[in-house]
Amino acid sequence: DAGITQSPRHKVTETGTPVTLRCHQTENHRYMYWYRQDPGHGLRLIHYSYGVKDTDKGEVSDGYSVSRSKTEDFLLTLESATSSQTSVYFCAISVGDGATDTQYFGPGTRLTVL
Amino acid sequence: QKEVEQDPGPLSVPEGAIVSLNCTYSNSAFQYFMWYRQYSRKGPELLMYTYSSGNKEDGRFTAQVDKSSKYISLFIRDSQPSDSATYLCAADSGTYKYIFGTGTRLKVLA
Repeated sequence: DAGITQSPRHKVTETGTPVTLRCHQTENHRYMYWYRQDPGHGLRLIHYSYGVKDTDKGEVSDGYSVSRSKTEDFLLTLESATSSQTSVYFCAISVGDGATDTQYFGPGTRLTVL
Repeated sequence: QKEVEQDPGPLSVPEGAIVSLNCTYSNSAFQYFMWYRQYSRKGPELLMYTYSSGNKEDGRFTAQVDKSSKYISLFIRDSQPSDSATYLCAADSGTYKYIFGTGTRLKVLA
């Protein structure tokens, strides 16, 4: 998994509760990403980061916030979880020399919102 | 219309067959094209990376990009049951943000 860990790996929570997912990389790669994967939609980008405290929105950012206070950690927060946020969440890092960067994915977090 | 379209399958083939997986895209700015393999309940793993048009081969896998028709393909020769997985194509215009297809489920029957 390219030195990427995600925690927790599984979580069940209730509607309206806050949830934070953590992505940790063991190297100092600049770009980190959060995706969600749903049947029929594939992987969709939620937010990404291009450095400490530098983040930007992706395709499906509503209801999500992110923070990156250290190079190695990228946090995804659902401020008030809804059932539509039940999904599998993947973190990714971009690895390369700037010309041929490719993304490598973590093992995923399976989130169920009841 | 999605920027990257992919038939969801499932595609079932006998062991040893040549498999052809395809995606189409609409954004002519895409320059980088990737194929990922994803086993059930696992994260996607990078299989092939191609820049611009042309072919790239790696063992039993060949990635092909035709920018004139906005068509990308992945061929798997001598397919094995262990190749059974979902295959995702992705494209990037150099913005570091990938656009993924929805994935094609492949089953290779022993």
